[in-house]
Amino acid sequence: DAMVIQNPRYQVTQFGKPVTLSCSQTLNHNVMYWYQQKSSQAPKLLFHYYDKDFNNEADTPDNFQSRRPNTSFCFLDIRSPGLGDAAMYLCATSRERIYGYTFGSGTRLTVV
Amino acid sequence: EDQVTQSPEALRLQEGESSSLNCSYTVSGLRGLFWYRQDPGKGPEFLFTLYSAGEEKEKERLKATLTKKESFLHITAPKPEDSATYLCAGINYGQNFVFGPGTRLSVLP
Repeated sequence: DAMVIQNPRYQVTQFGKPVTLSCSQTLNHNVMYWYQQKSSQAPKLLFHYYDKDFNNEADTPDNFQSRRPNTSFCFLDIRSPGLGDAAMYLCATSRERIYGYTFGSGTRLTVV
Repeated sequence: EDQVTQSPEALRLQEGESSSLNCSYTVSGLRGLFWYRQDPGKGPEFLFTLYSAGEEKEKERLKATLTKKESFLHITAPKPEDSATYLCAGINYGQNFVFGPGTRLSVLP
């Protein structure tokens, strides 16, 4: 089945230790997104790629970076995680930005 | 500023007790209104897209409707497996999704 896969499902990292979250898709969608979702809150867009074009949201901290080496994969790098970065991180894809998203199952990040 | 609000924040229903969830939006140049279902610890699952006022879409016990200012998600005779958080999102001319905070629905057997 075509889908969006996030790895790992759960990630525990130490305060200040760089961490990378992974997302892959078999849908061949042009757009890939990274969202941060904290408990009982709406998902918050961090950035998105349209093909290879990177688009950062204005209020996304510099601590967060992303890479999209090819159509299928996208990575979220958190250079120095703080306690406030503990959240669910959601990857989503869409064929074009106007269309609905397909979300992955998310990665729950814990910072200790 | 574009905004999407949802009410109620949480809703508890008895099995079979029909109700509606509300999504109000102030999104300039709304191009689409989306409903998602999110189970705890999982990513949102797409339910419906509505593009114009008066449009309705149905799926099993769920029906989504859209007016010029709000959308409703009607749940008819809900079952415990309908328990989830329901997220509403609008997309504007800038092609940016604006999510609401969601409504947490609990259906008791």
